[in-house]
Amino acid sequence: DAGITQSPRYKITETGRQVTLMCHQTWSHSYMFWYRQDLGHGLRLIYYSAAADITDKGEVPDGYVVSRSKTENFPLTLESATRSQTSVYFCASSAGGGTAAFFGQGTRLTVV
Amino acid sequence: GNSVTQMEGPVTLSEEAFLTINCTYTATGYPSLFWYVQYPGEGLQLLLKATKADDKGSNKGFEATYRKETTSFHLEKGSVQVSDSAVYFCAPGGGKLIFGQGTELSVKP
Repeated sequence: DAGITQSPRYKITETGRQVTLMCHQTWSHSYMFWYRQDLGHGLRLIYYSAAADITDKGEVPDGYVVSRSKTENFPLTLESATRSQTSVYFCASSAGGGTAAFFGQGTRLTVV
Repeated sequence: GNSVTQMEGPVTLSEEAFLTINCTYTATGYPSLFWYVQYPGEGLQLLLKATKADDKGSNKGFEATYRKETTSFHLEKGSVQVSDSAVYFCAPGGGKLIFGQGTELSVKP
């Protein structure tokens, strides 16, 4: 199916575990983004990527790792999950150049 | 880098009331400006956009005008419906796409 998909939709993990959230887009958009959404904080940018093999930090990158070996995939890894990383995570993509971004449905992550 | 300041919510209105959600931004140059809407349990989706100064974006009865002089992009709708209840986000375009806190709108019948 065309679009942008995130997996899993829901995840519960334990403190200290590594967890990877997946994001896949079918448009060959050059830009991809990861955000977290918490009550009272709006949408905060974690990492973004302008192209394959090019990534850069956003507003809240600590505790997260990203990679982008292929244009269509942009996984987000929490190397050692903490309770403060309990959140809803959104992936997005855009063609850049001031074009609109398209968002996935989100992953609700709970760290216990 | 780019940044955006939005009117704080929640905003509660009665059906058919007039809506304004204020948005001011700082940006390098004159980027495209966007309003996104997020319905409960969903990701953000594009509501409208404007690409240059004095442009007016419109969609589903919502409008916003790109004001370069005041660096603003306020969202308006003449008559809101219960189905407009959602969180609204303003954002300047650009490589590093930054959002503000969003404004929650609740419309009561």
